[in-house]
Amino acid sequence: QQQVKQSPQSLIVQKGGISIINCAYENTAFDYFPWYQQFPGKGPALLIAIRPDVSEKKEGRFTISFNKSAKQFSLHIMDSQPGDSATYFCAAKTPDNFNKFYFGSGTKLNVKP
Amino acid sequence: DTAVSQTPKYLVTQMGNDKSIKCEQNLGHDTMYWYKQDSKKFLKIMFSYNNKELIINETVPNRFSPKSPDKAHLNLHINSLELGDSAVYFCASSLGGTSGEQFFGPGTRLTVL
Repeated sequence: QQQVKQSPQSLIVQKGGISIINCAYENTAFDYFPWYQQFPGKGPALLIAIRPDVSEKKEGRFTISFNKSAKQFSLHIMDSQPGDSATYFCAAKTPDNFNKFYFGSGTKLNVKP
Repeated sequence: DTAVSQTPKYLVTQMGNDKSIKCEQNLGHDTMYWYKQDSKKFLKIMFSYNNKELIINETVPNRFSPKSPDKAHLNLHINSLELGDSAVYFCASSLGGTSGEQFFGPGTRLTVL
């Protein structure tokens, strides 16, 4: 059973456009929701993260919107650039000391110049 | 200065062989992880250690055995390698406790022939 469901699987956006990636989760006990960016041949790198007591977090062109009642969160990339082309993963963490992360299936973003 | 490092980066071997992947973190983190990323990019946790103690052990074949000689190192030994073990293996670390930020290594691409 997949704890975190991510969509779309792939996304093509024109340069300057907005990229939106969505995730849904089941476990209401999750206490931390990060987004990771992964370039080919590299490990995932933390991009931005949010805790469930906040509905939105913005860092530069990247924004997380969090809807606790719907158990959904999304990543918005404003003014998308070709350099943003990568695979993006959402994740959710359990609140206990195990710090177990469940990852979404990933979204391959291609920003066309 | 690399935060989470893994060796080797590439590993090509025959079925039935035994191999090890090493991981080291210099972040002073308490918790370390091994993830497997399959050909579809899906990231799945395998093991987690906290202060050298195994705390997460997912449904992984017994052929996989993690070892943590100290809290800065987490190695993965794989016995009797099978074709299905071909994947990219990522080591990661986090501070543990309520902190969520997780840092990934560059990955080890294992190819079993």
